[in-house]
Amino acid sequence: IAGITQAPTSQILAAGRRMTLRCTQDMRHNAMYWYRQDLGLGLRLIHYSNTAGTTGKGEVPDGYSVSRANTDDFPLTLASAVPSQTSVYFCASSDRGWGEQFFGPGTRLTVL
Amino acid sequence: KNEVEQSPQNLTAQEGEFITINCSYSVGISALHWLQQHPGGGIVSLFMLSSGKKKHGRLIATINIQEKHSSLHITASHPRDSAVYICAVENYGGSQGNLIFGKGTKLSVKP
Repeated sequence: IAGITQAPTSQILAAGRRMTLRCTQDMRHNAMYWYRQDLGLGLRLIHYSNTAGTTGKGEVPDGYSVSRANTDDFPLTLASAVPSQTSVYFCASSDRGWGEQFFGPGTRLTVL
Repeated sequence: KNEVEQSPQNLTAQEGEFITINCSYSVGISALHWLQQHPGGGIVSLFMLSSGKKKHGRLIATINIQEKHSSLHITASHPRDSAVYICAVENYGGSQGNLIFGKGTKLSVKP
């Protein structure tokens, strides 16, 4: 792979179910991010990680958790999905905390 | 009031026209980013700048730190430039890498 990948591409999920969105990058970037994009609201940061082993909360972290066990992977988990979490989710990475960010192709999630 | 405001929200142009998209922000920043989101949804970073001007091909980005304003210019526009252009700022003193995004400008270039 080259760059940053996300899986699944899209998913329809029943409310209350647990879901993990996967994100993998092969650029050896230190920093990784999860955003959600909603119509009329733009992109908003959910969680971030400056380096493997550390994570931080963004603007809209409630209902989401992340882990960063290694440099390449940054999964986002919805412990108990709710309809308001219907959105397009983008993962991104950057070489350093304040660098150009590279975005994955996105995951379209629908919670019914 | 949003911390990052873009104008216009929507823009339709004829092929070949010179295009300007504006971004104003209200916070102190360490850098400003311009992103392009294609109709298929993919997001690409165009520029990251903290002063002056940068140019890539037909795209030019400028920033005026004192006026808290940035512009993205497209010269000799083409239908393939049709996309949403997003301005984002890194809040100085904020969480590392935490970008604040504008809501985007949807550009449509007609042949």
